[in-house]
Amino acid sequence: GDSVTQMEGPVTLSEEAFLTINCTYTATGYPSLFWYVQYPGEGLQLLLKATKADDKGSNKGFEATYRKETTSFHLEKGSVQVSDSAVYFCALRTNTGGFKTIFGAGTRLFVKA
Amino acid sequence: EPEVTQTPSHQVTQMGQEVILRCVPISNHLYFYWYRQILGQKVEFLVSFYNNEISEKSEIFDDQFSVERPDGSNFTLKIRSTKLEDSAMYFCASSDRTSGVGEQFFGPGTRLTVL
Repeated sequence: GDSVTQMEGPVTLSEEAFLTINCTYTATGYPSLFWYVQYPGEGLQLLLKATKADDKGSNKGFEATYRKETTSFHLEKGSVQVSDSAVYFCALRTNTGGFKTIFGAGTRLFVKA
Repeated sequence: EPEVTQTPSHQVTQMGQEVILRCVPISNHLYFYWYRQILGQKVEFLVSFYNNEISEKSEIFDDQFSVERPDGSNFTLKIRSTKLEDSAMYFCASSDRTSGVGEQFFGPGTRLTVL
């Protein structure tokens, strides 16, 4: 079945460091891909999305490119801030049946000042 | 900006009791979902609902779970006889017809604690 695999955390970075969180997926058809962020004690917020191959999603300095050839959707940010500390979930949305969202396990990011 | 709302934000119940978690999806949306997240774990799909019927459900969504859209605005998840392992954050989500492969909008969640 469809699935999402993302790098295990936690990831600890110093402020202004470069961030990459790897995400790969397995899916039939052509899913939409998403990154969600969850701050401590809060719900899920959509960070960015891409709906077809080679699309680049971007928001708040984060970006990810839908790579069909490598079935990947890696999250990057050039310079992280302490306020970026959160759990990041890679996800795909199926385009058949109930259109459910399938989430990766999440990667916790700690950014030190 | 329209948003999905959920009530209550936190529900504490005794094992074996019934609970109903409530959600108000975005008003023009047609697809509705429930997900759960056990503390510190991944978000798991429970059920999707369209045109007043379940369109897909996961293995987690067994006979103790049910969903209903009792009126034009609410979408509920009922757990008939709660177990300790039902303790989790439950998220409701909705999406519109034209975004069938697009974004789902998530509510803030209901934290369910079963004692």
